[in-house]
Amino acid sequence: EAGVTQFPSHSVIEKGQTVTLRCDPISGHDNLYWYRRVMGKEIKFLLHFVKESKQDESGMPNNRFLAERTGGTYSTLKVQPAELEDSGVYFCASSQARGTGFHEQYFGPGTRLTVT
Amino acid sequence: RKEVEQDPGPFNVPEGATVAFNCTYSNSASQSFFWYRQDCRKEPKLLMSVYSSGNEDGRFTAQLNRASQYISLLIRDSKLSDSATYLCVVNSISGTYKYIFGTGTRLKVLA
Repeated sequence: EAGVTQFPSHSVIEKGQTVTLRCDPISGHDNLYWYRRVMGKEIKFLLHFVKESKQDESGMPNNRFLAERTGGTYSTLKVQPAELEDSGVYFCASSQARGTGFHEQYFGPGTRLTVT
Repeated sequence: RKEVEQDPGPFNVPEGATVAFNCTYSNSASQSFFWYRQDCRKEPKLLMSVYSSGNEDGRFTAQLNRASQYISLLIRDSKLSDSATYLCVVNSISGTYKYIFGTGTRLKVLA
């Protein structure tokens, strides 16, 4: 079974430019999450989709970040315009449908974003 | 105060040693608890979910103490391949499944 995939693996852009990150969750996983790790800090939650709906976007830093999950399959995270402090590693994770249980999340390899 | 606190280490231990990591969390309503392992420049990989009664998987044992809001991970007979960062993760309160991460504890197993 294929795991969570993310594209691109690395992106270097200039301040003010736009970048779009893509995440393909594990097939059949309704829950999709975005997280970010900035240098020297812990991984932090950005938002959570259940199918195509945003369940929780409390971690989104500001309105320069836009996440979509059209059709409830893959998701994109767009940063426009990028700022220096947006640099970090962006992880996507997915988990199976709700109900009882642990809802373990499986992470993609991340996109390393550098804003210069 | 951070929601999930871990000693960042590093813990340098010889092969074959037993090592224990601790983690405390601040939200008493937290629902689920996990240990993830992260190798350098890689994604977090699930090591163990932590059950209320404690659980063991081979050389790894996890414990949960809800009264003290404390989670532990014990690694017995350390291998060189255990060298990594171990992330304590707490699943948020009911209604959302977001993870709250600790900063991680670095382990280096020495030959």
